[in-house]
Amino acid sequence: DSGVTQTPKHLITATGQRVTLRCSPRSGDLSVYWYQQSLDQGLQFLIQYYNGEERAKGNILERFSAQQFPDLHSELNLSSLELGDSALYFCASSATGYEQYFGPGTRLTVT
Amino acid sequence: EDQVTQSPEALRLQEGESSSLNCSYTVSGLRGLFWYRQDPGKGPEFLFTLYSAGEEKEKERLKATLTKKESFLHITAPKPEDSATYLCAVLLNFGNEKLTFGTGTRLTIIP
Repeated sequence: DSGVTQTPKHLITATGQRVTLRCSPRSGDLSVYWYQQSLDQGLQFLIQYYNGEERAKGNILERFSAQQFPDLHSELNLSSLELGDSALYFCASSATGYEQYFGPGTRLTVT
Repeated sequence: EDQVTQSPEALRLQEGESSSLNCSYTVSGLRGLFWYRQDPGKGPEFLFTLYSAGEEKEKERLKATLTKKESFLHITAPKPEDSATYLCAVLLNFGNEKLTFGTGTRLTIIP
């Protein structure tokens, strides 16, 4: 158990809908990272927050957004969902900016 | 362009048969190289961090080594429970703290 929690574990929704994924980092970790893992793309970095502020962006679509709250939990919002957004979404946290500890993931299925 | 390549894509070994997994990288400035283990449908589990050429880390049947252009994950006398996908990732000197992952080696240990 990495200490990073994610909810929900599974999410099934229809195209065009909007969903919110939630992540709680390890106690004391200020950095939260979001990654997407699909069969054909591997693990891809989406976005990083540090102590409530956006620090870095990867290949994140404009339909996706994230935020980190004062209690350090983070949410990833995915809107206007398409079939191709079906993937595993992972959150990771870090205290040092080096080792990142991953949560169990949310499996999103868009039908 | 920064690249991380893992080989082989898949490896089947008999229990007790030692082998090595390779991770080669072409990046402009390496801050760290990380090895993770991922079981199907689960989040990546942190194994090792390597910072400089010549460094080695060990954990149970696994040993990770680093040169200037590649890293090896040596597995000695593996057991069926070592079956998983092994991912390597790099953290670059410049820019943000995103991890760039290879596509992984799927390791199967046959009893």
